[in-house]
Amino acid sequence: EIVLTHSPGTLSLSPGERATLSCRASQSVSSYLAWYQHKPGQAPRLLIYGASTRATGVPDRFTGSGSGTDFTLTISRLEPEDFAVYYCQQYGRSPRTFGGGTTVELK
Amino acid sequence: QLQLQESGPGLVKPSETLSLTCTVSGGSINSSNYYWGWIRQPPGKGLEWIGSLFYTGSTYYNPSVKSRVTMSVDSSKSQFSLKLSSVTAADTAVYYCARQRTLFYFDNWGQGARVIVSS
Repeated sequence: EIVLTHSPGTLSLSPGERATLSCRASQSVSSYLAWYQHKPGQAPRLLIYGASTRATGVPDRFTGSGSGTDFTLTISRLEPEDFAVYYCQQYGRSPRTFGGGTTVELK
Repeated sequence: QLQLQESGPGLVKPSETLSLTCTVSGGSINSSNYYWGWIRQPPGKGLEWIGSLFYTGSTYYNPSVKSRVTMSVDSSKSQFSLKLSSVTAADTAVYYCARQRTLFYFDNWGQGARVIVSS
């Protein structure tokens, strides 16, 4: 099973700042990686698939990059609604797996 | 606007079977482009894919739960279901149903159903 490791575990930032989140896979998943945003009590929201393609309706301040084993989600300027937990998920190998998440919290 | 809603008992006794249903509205469950999946999140932990199924009934399960899980679909009701047998406290989690693009990523999720396994 492919293990996905997020870093950092928690990111403490202020609105307007840039957030850089990392997801590392234990084996290559090519570009078969997605990112999700999850707020407490809400349904997770797909942000990025194919490592870099934004899902429908996702603002362009969210950018995904990377391939193979190293991936990055960048939020160019944090808005108040962006404070949440972010998960990566690989779909290059079975079983599909998720990372443990990065919490982006208000500083 | 596609919507998914989980339903089922919030409390299950150890060794019994957990049963959840996901009702799909605003879209067809009979799509050749999508699978329908279950994902769970134990308290304080990350997300775990449980399994997925196609509207024809084909299923794909995570090996971690394969011996205990059964998924089924009822297209006439736009519903799909999860059954997890012989549950223990480790199965306590929020269970999400979601639409999965061709066994790839999950593009629409339900709000989640909290299930506690306790006597």
